[in-house]
Amino acid sequence: DGGITQSPKYLFRKEGQNVTLSCEQNLNHDAMYWYRQDPGQGLRLIYYSQIVNDFQKGDIAEGYSVSREKKESFPLTVTSAQKNPTAFYLCASSRAHDTGELFFGEGSRLTVL
Amino acid sequence: SQKIEQNSEALNIQEGKTATLTCNYTNYSPAYLQWYRQDPGRGPVFLLLIRENEKEKRKERLKVTFDTTLKQSLFHITASQPADSATYLCALDGFSGGYNKLIFGAGTRLAVHP
Repeated sequence: DGGITQSPKYLFRKEGQNVTLSCEQNLNHDAMYWYRQDPGQGLRLIYYSQIVNDFQKGDIAEGYSVSREKKESFPLTVTSAQKNPTAFYLCASSRAHDTGELFFGEGSRLTVL
Repeated sequence: SQKIEQNSEALNIQEGKTATLTCNYTNYSPAYLQWYRQDPGRGPVFLLLIRENEKEKRKERLKVTFDTTLKQSLFHITASQPADSATYLCALDGFSGGYNKLIFGAGTRLAVHP
């Protein structure tokens, strides 16, 4: 079955540590996205990528970094510069940027201890 | 300022009734609007997309309307079932911060009681 796989599902981090969240898709989609979800707020865009080896900052990119070396993969690193990293992180993909529906992964919940 | 608003209070209804959820927006001119379902601890799942030139769209027990004059979309679930209990997110395409993107509301939680 085609889909998006995020890992890990749950992650605990000590303050000052960088962590990387994995996102892999086998839908052959060009566009991939990272969103952050906090209680009572809409999904906020962190980074997006329209094509391999290219990505753009979203609304809340500070303290995060990404890479897009392969079409299937779009990992997100939460760096120690992110002041409030505890959140639910969602990866998504679409056939092309700015068109049609998004396909989401199951999410990764990051908790900073 | 640009806003997309969904009722933050949970909607509680009886099984078999029609659930109606509202999505209002200001200072956007979206070409389309989407609705997603999200279960606790899971990623959202796409349900329906309605374009600006479409007044209404249906899919099985779901119906979405889009009124660009009122800047509002209504999402209906007819003959609701307890399995429909979830949070429903609306999203519209908007130009903000220098680029086009999908902008999400915070969602409305629906609880269908037997």
